[in-house]
Amino acid sequence: VQLQESGPGLVKPSETLSLTCTVSGGSLNDYYWSWLRQPPGQGLEWIGHIFSTGNTKYNPSLKDRVTISLDTSGNQISLKLTSVTAADTAIYSCARHPTLRTIDSWGQGTLVTVSS
Amino acid sequence: DIQMTQSPSSLSASIGERVTITCRASHGISSWLAWYQWKPGKPPKLLIYKSSILESGVPSRFSGSGSGTEFTLTIDNLQPDDLATYFCHQYNDYWTFGQGTKVELK
Repeated sequence: VQLQESGPGLVKPSETLSLTCTVSGGSLNDYYWSWLRQPPGQGLEWIGHIFSTGNTKYNPSLKDRVTISLDTSGNQISLKLTSVTAADTAIYSCARHPTLRTIDSWGQGTLVTVSS
Repeated sequence: DIQMTQSPSSLSASIGERVTITCRASHGISSWLAWYQWKPGKPPKLLIYKSSILESGVPSRFSGSGSGTEFTLTIDNLQPDDLATYFCHQYNDYWTFGQGTKVELK
């Protein structure tokens, strides 16, 4: 399976960051799908996940601004993060995991910069 | 939330040496910890899960130990292919990650 993130590389402060993860070589079914990010010079941060049934769980520090959804027909997972600031500048990655434990597939990541 | 403190942030070692990396959790996480290896331009690779279980295909020179709040990744007989960044990942309560340790050649 391959995961590929896509979306704008530049977002203005206070706007909404929208990214898509396209899955090829496999189905969304029976897997969890997470979004993670890594700000420059910092460690990874888990944003949230969605199961193939649509159930979601979000990082408490981001949950008021985050929505993760599935597009099963397009084999895609979407991320929306509202009211962004410079602190949201990071490399955003999607990942697949068969359980709530370890990740078995990662995307390459996409850099999103928040700046006016 | 559970904070993971990983040390050192970088280290230099010679081929053949033993390397030890530590992660400390702010609260007990039982054995719900994984270690990944990350090389530039590639996705992270799972090395160890549940603190000490070696993922299939990972060389036996990698080992993990610990439970509760203190965890260790050990690389015995460091090889050139092991030069990479390593990070820990707790999955006891939500998910959090260590800051990473860059292993370089001395």
